[in-house]
Amino acid sequence: AQKVTQTQTSISVVEKTTVTMDCVYETRDSSYFLFWYKQTASGEIVFLIRQDSYKKENATVGHYSLNFQKPKSSIGLIITATQIEDSAVYFCAMREGGTGGYKVVFGSGTRLLVSP
Amino acid sequence: EAAVTQSPRNKVAVTGGKVTLSCNQTNNHNNMYWYRQDTGHGLRLIHYSYGAGSTEKGDIPDGYKASRPSQENFSLILELATPSQTSVYFCASGDARQGFTEVFFGKGTRLTVV
Repeated sequence: AQKVTQTQTSISVVEKTTVTMDCVYETRDSSYFLFWYKQTASGEIVFLIRQDSYKKENATVGHYSLNFQKPKSSIGLIITATQIEDSAVYFCAMREGGTGGYKVVFGSGTRLLVSP
Repeated sequence: EAAVTQSPRNKVAVTGGKVTLSCNQTNNHNNMYWYRQDTGHGLRLIHYSYGAGSTEKGDIPDGYKASRPSQENFSLILELATPSQTSVYFCASGDARQGFTEVFFGKGTRLTVV
């Protein structure tokens, strides 16, 4: 069964620095999709970035980028030049491949605190 | 923009009572999901659906039922609510018919069972 694990419960950084959040996953599929989401203080959950398993290039969106290490079943989120407003809970998620109905499963989340 | 609306946003229920949480999406997405969020557990999948009339068990389905009467609506039903079901529930939708991007979340429903 698919599984997503985030071992870092919380991380604290000073603004303008770079932070990396870890995520490892388990799947039997050869094709899958990996995502990172952000939950703000208001509780809203928003999509940040995605990596398709068949793509070798790491995805980048704004100041978010991914470190995809397929042999290690790892998908790290890198936030460069962190800002105070990046303080939030970050979730890693995975969807296995195929068409039609599919599960999307999430990790337990990593709380990021960015301080001045 | 993708829109997922949950109702109610807050609910207090009595132990043993029936609770129905509703979700409506205007995205014409075929897939819909119900998750619960508890401290230390992240988002756990309860039920999901890949179209009207279908429901599938997620990872923690015990004590919950789901109903997908139409493309737009997906309900989560607690027939006999228990205090352990006190949580924040999120509905989400996603579409795989033309490739796949991400799932879109509603704002959540805070359920307290007393």
